[in-house]
Amino acid sequence: GNSVTQMEGPVTLSEEAFLTINCTYTATGYPSLFWYVQYPGEGLQLLLKATKADDKGSNKGFEATYRKETTSFHLEKGSVQVSDSAVYFCALLGSTGFQKLVFGTGTRLLVSP
Amino acid sequence: DAGVTQSPTHLIKTRGQQVTLRCSPKSGHDTVSWYQQALGQGPQFIFQYYEEEERQRGNFPDRFSGHQFPNYSSELNVNALLLGDSALYLCASSLWRVSYNEQFFGPGTRLTVL
Repeated sequence: GNSVTQMEGPVTLSEEAFLTINCTYTATGYPSLFWYVQYPGEGLQLLLKATKADDKGSNKGFEATYRKETTSFHLEKGSVQVSDSAVYFCALLGSTGFQKLVFGTGTRLLVSP
Repeated sequence: DAGVTQSPTHLIKTRGQQVTLRCSPKSGHDTVSWYQQALGQGPQFIFQYYEEEERQRGNFPDRFSGHQFPNYSSELNVNALLLGDSALYLCASSLWRVSYNEQFFGPGTRLTVL
């Protein structure tokens, strides 16, 4: 079945540091890929998405490129802020017509001033 | 434009009891999905409703059941609660006809089973 693997956290960075959170997936066909963010005590917010190979999703300074050859969708940001501290989830939506998101276990990001 | 809303925010139950959680989808959405998020884990798909029918189900026992109403709102029912049912329950809404089916999440209901 479909699955998503994320790097374990927490990831601890100083403000203005470069961020990479690794995400790889296993899926048949051509899934759509997503990054969701969860702030403390809140639900999930869609951060960015990519629906086909080589697409780059971007939002609020975050970027991720859909790499089919390496089955990866790594999240990057050039300069993190304290307000970026949250849990980040990589997820995929299979291409078979079934509309269920498959999530990774999440990566907690802690940014200090 | 109201987003996805869920009620209640928090709930405490004891083992063996039954619980009902409620969800109102984002305006214009017709599909509701439910997810269970255990502490420190990613959300796990429970089931999805469209046109008042369960369209797909994840690996959850029959103790988990749901309903969708004509106004697209939805309920999640869990019977014979177990300690392991303690989790954040997330509702997500979307449009059935959209190919990549972006899902919008509510704030969740935190269920604690004692």
